Amino acid sequence: DIQMTQSPSSLSASVGDRVTLTCQASEDISNYLNWFQQKPGKAPKLLIHDASSLQTGVPSRFSGSGSGTNFTFSISSLQPEDFARYYCQQCKNLPITFGQGTRLETK
Amino acid sequence: QVQLQESGPGLVKPSQTLSLSCTVSGDSISRGSYSWSWIRQPAGKTLEWIGRMYSTGSINYNPSLESRVTMSRDTSKNQFSLKLSSVTAADTAVYYCARLGGTGVFDYWGQGTLVTVSS
Repeated sequence: DIQMTQSPSSLSASVGDRVTLTCQASEDISNYLNWFQQKPGKAPKLLIHDASSLQTGVPSRFSGSGSGTNFTFSISSLQPEDFARYYCQQCKNLPITFGQGTRLETK
Repeated sequence: QVQLQESGPGLVKPSQTLSLSCTVSGDSISRGSYSWSWIRQPAGKTLEWIGRMYSTGSINYNPSLESRVTMSRDTSKNQFSLKLSSVTAADTAVYYCARLGGTGVFDYWGQGTLVTVSS
């Protein structure tokens, strides 16, 4: 299985901050990498697909980059509704696997 | 607008079989290039992909669960289902159904249903 390692596991930040999360794959996954946001009691919401493509309807403050084994996810200016958990997910090989998540909390 | 809705018992006894269904509206599970997946998430943990069923009926399972998992469908109801046998407390989780695009993108999800394994 391809292992997905996210860092940090948690991050404290303030409204207006720029934050960057990272995700590392255990082998080359090209750009088969997606990012999700999950709030308590809710299903994950797709934000970024194919490493850098913004899902329709998602605000442009969210962005993603990377290829191969190293990926980043950024929020340019944190909004109150952005405090949540974020997961990366690879779809290069089966089984599909997710990172352990990064909890973004308010400072 | 595509919508998915999970249904099934919220409590299952150890060693028994967990059974869930996912009803899809706004798309057809038997046509198109999408597949239909089950994913689960134990409390406080990350997501685990369980398996997917294509519109053709072809199925892939996660090898970690393959010996206990069966996916099936009822095209007349536009519904697909999950059975997980010989459950233990480790199978307690929120179970989601989701649509999976050709490039491996989960774009629509159900709201999730909590299944607790307990006697």
